[in-house]
Amino acid sequence: LAKTTQPISMDSYEGQEVNITCSHNNIATNDYITWYQQFPSQGPRFIIQGYKTKVTNEVASLFIPADRKSSTLSLPRVSLSDTAVYYCLVGDSGAAGNKLTFGGGTRVLVKP
Amino acid sequence: DTEVTQTPKHLVMGMTNKKSLKCEQHMGHRAMYWYKQKAKKPPELMFVYSYEKLSINESVPSRFSPECPNSSLLNLHLHALQPEDSALYLCASSQGGTQETQYFGPGTRLLVL
Repeated sequence: LAKTTQPISMDSYEGQEVNITCSHNNIATNDYITWYQQFPSQGPRFIIQGYKTKVTNEVASLFIPADRKSSTLSLPRVSLSDTAVYYCLVGDSGAAGNKLTFGGGTRVLVKP
Repeated sequence: DTEVTQTPKHLVMGMTNKKSLKCEQHMGHRAMYWYKQKAKKPPELMFVYSYEKLSINESVPSRFSPECPNSSLLNLHLHALQPEDSALYLCASSQGGTQETQYFGPGTRLLVL
């Protein structure tokens, strides 16, 4: 099962871009990389998922180098409401359900 | 409807009590999950149901007993819990394949006295 390593915390300011890098050295060939966001006392919320290169949606971008041993979540122009914990996950591609193992997560604090 | 609902939102129980947590989704998802999350820690997977059958049990103590009555409902029966079982219990669902987005409910905050 691929293990992920992320920075414990990051501080930023409103309007800045936040980049969170996650290491997953033993990612399997079939594994995708998924990022979730969690606010206090709420369940995690899906942000973005990718397999290789770059993926972009309305809230974030995900950059994955060719070796796939790391990935970077990019949050453009953050606001105070982006203060949350961000989890990088690498999925187990087993057939019975979708087993996700959450790493430690990165606490992002956006300051005014 | 992309919502997973969980009841109750808060639960306080004694170590001799029996209680149940409930989870419901109406997205047609065929996989459902229970996670446990302690304060300032990441969620930890407990159980996975796939097509109403238990497919993963992460060596959870038997005082936690999951049940999936149908494809929309997931229960977690609690009996003889310990204070260290106090945590946020999260339910999630996904379509039923692999590498899929999981949709999480808001959780049940459990306190065991």
